[in-house]
Amino acid sequence: EPEVTQTPSHQVTQMGQEVILRCVPISNHLYFYWYRQILGQKVEFLVSFYNNEISEKSEIFDDQFSVERPDGSNFTLKIRSTKLEDSAMYFCASSEARANYGYTFGSGTRLTVV
Amino acid sequence: AQKITQTQPGMFVQEKEAVTLDCTYDTSDPSYGLFWYKQPSSGEMIFLIYQGSYDQQNATEGRYSLNFQKARKSANLVISASQLGDSAMYFCAMREGGGSTLGRLYFGRGTQLTVWP
Repeated sequence: EPEVTQTPSHQVTQMGQEVILRCVPISNHLYFYWYRQILGQKVEFLVSFYNNEISEKSEIFDDQFSVERPDGSNFTLKIRSTKLEDSAMYFCASSEARANYGYTFGSGTRLTVV
Repeated sequence: AQKITQTQPGMFVQEKEAVTLDCTYDTSDPSYGLFWYKQPSSGEMIFLIYQGSYDQQNATEGRYSLNFQKARKSANLVISASQLGDSAMYFCAMREGGGSTLGRLYFGRGTQLTVWP
């Protein structure tokens, strides 16, 4: 069964450093998303991406965040200058353009900022 | 106001019994979709079932069914014949709007289900 692949599975970084989280969505999917889940809390939307541009972003997705689809397969989330509160599980998701289709999530990247 | 409310932080069920996980939602959009996801301790998010706001029948997927009561704005997940492997966190989520634009999902806080032998 096709899956969304995220790398790395775990990343530890120092406060103030830049990190790039990588995702390979399912190949025929057109919509891409990043969500995050702070430990023990609910999953929060960050950004959605369609047709090579951001289609929606949340208030969490401020200037320190950016997304890119550098080629036909990868979808990346960059955090420019990490803060302690950026420590979370980050999920990439993708979806077909069908309303009743469940978004497919990757296994997540656990980011720890120290 | 919360878009998705899950009032049960934890639920316990004996193996082979059925269990209902509650979810209520809040939206003024007539077109929306409701989702349930399972998150095992390993952390991944697994899609279980979907219900569209215009669907006439309750959704079913194997042992999972969604008890959709539109007037009450509830979308409870029913797991029949629970198995030990069903122990996980369960999230209810909603997407507002229809058509070809697939917007964000709003998640509830989740219900931790424990199945005991």
